[in-house]
Amino acid sequence: GEDVEQSLFLSVREGDSSVINCTYTDSSSTYLYWYKQEPGAGLQLLTYIFSNMDMKQDQRLTVLLNKKDKHLSLRIADTQTGDSAIYFCAESSPNTGGFKTIFGAGTRLFVKA
Amino acid sequence: DAGVTQSPTHLIKTRGQQVTLRCSPKSGHDTVSWYQQALGQGPQFIFQYYEEEERQRGNFPDRFSGHQFPNYSSELNVNALLLGDSALYLCASSLAGDPGGEKLFFGSGTQLSVL
Repeated sequence: GEDVEQSLFLSVREGDSSVINCTYTDSSSTYLYWYKQEPGAGLQLLTYIFSNMDMKQDQRLTVLLNKKDKHLSLRIADTQTGDSAIYFCAESSPNTGGFKTIFGAGTRLFVKA
Repeated sequence: DAGVTQSPTHLIKTRGQQVTLRCSPKSGHDTVSWYQQALGQGPQFIFQYYEEEERQRGNFPDRFSGHQFPNYSSELNVNALLLGDSALYLCASSLAGDPGGEKLFFGSGTQLSVL
């Protein structure tokens, strides 16, 4: 079945780069996403990558995809205290006319000033 | 542009009761998905509604049911509540056929506590 795994915690200093990693199992995944959740809020879509791409850059965010190893990473450049949140990796695959999106357990990013 | 709205924000029920949660999707969206997020966990897919029908379902028992209305809003019903149903219930909307796949827009959730 589908499964998405992430490391649970990451701590970085303000100004450093953060790299959050994720592995997934569904080889039919078409899109892979990164979402951010702040305390008491729902999830916010940060960025996504199509499965035939290797990399996508969006301002401070860089997504790398290794489809062979089913490994996805999110790099946040110049990490700020406001980036402290839970980051979820998600994979989406076609299913019964639509898409089904499965989330990992989330990586808690702590940014130290 | 109204985002995804959910009601109520918090709810306290006792075991065995029934609960109904409501969701209005983002303007222009036609698909609603429901997720359960237990404390410290990622969202778990419950089911998805499109064109007023349940299009797909995750590994949740039949006690979990839903509905989608002609205006695309949706309800999640849970019968015979168990202590383990305590969680944050998230509604997410999307637009079928979006070139970016299933870009989900989430509401802030309903925090359900079962005592």
